[in-house]
Amino acid sequence: QVELVQSGAEVKKPGSSVKVSCKASGGIFSSYAINWVRQAPGQGLEWMGAIIPLFGTATYAQKFQGRVSITAAESTTTAYVELMNLKSDDTAVYYCARSMVRAVMPPSGFDYWGQGTLITVSS
Amino acid sequence: DIQLTQFPSSLSASIGDRVTITCQASQDIKDLYWYQQKPGIAPKLLIYDASNLPTGVPSRFSGSGSGTRFTFTISSLHPEDFATYYCQQSDDFPLTFGGGTKVEI
Repeated sequence: QVELVQSGAEVKKPGSSVKVSCKASGGIFSSYAINWVRQAPGQGLEWMGAIIPLFGTATYAQKFQGRVSITAAESTTTAYVELMNLKSDDTAVYYCARSMVRAVMPPSGFDYWGQGTLITVSS
Repeated sequence: DIQLTQFPSSLSASIGDRVTITCQASQDIKDLYWYQQKPGIAPKLLIYDASNLPTGVPSRFSGSGSGTRFTFTISSLHPEDFATYYCQQSDDFPLTFGGGTKVEI
């Protein structure tokens, strides 16, 4: 059984950066895309980008290009999302989610999700 | 970007009711997924490839459709089904979600 465990909630100042981790256990880590999806308070779901750890190259939604970095470490089966130059509207719950089909891009839908990490951006 | 328009955005229903949600895509797609989300909890996959149920998902949930119009149905609403439902496409970047349908009592 695959489990994704994310790092804890953080409060950040505008203009700073945040890095959220997603530790995977069970299953095969390297060949399934790990996606990052965020949800602002009371709002819907928004895909930010994804990475297949085996290939190492991330793909990002245009909205976040230049401000986000998604990485993965096969040795620790952990994926990361770093969001830079934070603004108040980046306040959201950030989820990692594993795609259900191996090694395809665009990534398929998501069968396993992390528990979510609340990032609050406030001065 | 492929836009997914879900309707209705909310609905009121009773235990035992049949509930149908529609997801309209801005262009033809094939890879369509449906998720259920309860407050404070990560979404859960209910339907993949428009009409397939993952193992363990109750058979009262179903999906159908093709091209630009897809539907999600709960044949008989259970108490635990009160939640928000989202469609999502994986045909093209960026992956996109519908706006959600909140199913309330």
